[in-house]
Amino acid sequence: KNEVEQSPQNLTAQEGEFITINCSYSVGISALHWLQQHPGGGIVSLFMLSSGKKKHGRLIATINIQEKHSSLHITASHPRDSAVYICAVLGNNNDMRFGAGTRLTVKP
Amino acid sequence: ETGVTQTPRHLVMGMTNKKSLKCEQHLGHNAMYWYKQSAKKPLELMFVYSLEERVENNSVPSRFSPECPNSSHLFLHLHTLQPEDSALYLCASSQSGRYGYTFGSGTRLTVV
Repeated sequence: KNEVEQSPQNLTAQEGEFITINCSYSVGISALHWLQQHPGGGIVSLFMLSSGKKKHGRLIATINIQEKHSSLHITASHPRDSAVYICAVLGNNNDMRFGAGTRLTVKP
Repeated sequence: ETGVTQTPRHLVMGMTNKKSLKCEQHLGHNAMYWYKQSAKKPLELMFVYSLEERVENNSVPSRFSPECPNSSHLFLHLHTLQPEDSALYLCASSQSGRYGYTFGSGTRLTVV
């Protein structure tokens, strides 16, 4: 079992829908990252959070340290949001562990 | 551009070829990483260099040989690869692992 589990694996939405991607982890962490990977392969960091909630534009990330769970929300989704979203946790030894990713497709 | 540059972007090689992947960062980071990403699997850590010294080799076959000549450059030398080595190879850098990693765009490798 992977130490970082994401759900769903694949998600298809219509433009404008509210989207939630979930991440659960089983190890102690100092921070959690949400990453976005576009079809070309490059990975971009969206958020790094260790508690509470962060918002950037239409993206919102939350984390519950006690429950070892994080969610990434996208409001008013758009086709350009189509990508793979990866949850990654930074362990207490500064080692990074990755989820398998959630492939999001937003249809116009 | 993220500040981490990988070349080439795409590479097709035969099983008897020798090739090298290159990664370059000018972010002032002191740690660099090679990851392998296969379809529908989490990123797999291959090698970690900290201050130009290899600090982790994650049970990677010897047909993959990393080299870190200085803190800004990282290479992955490839020889006698197998078709199952076909994957996206991602380079990343960080400042001692804190604050997360900055990734390159990856090299899509196909072994034929």
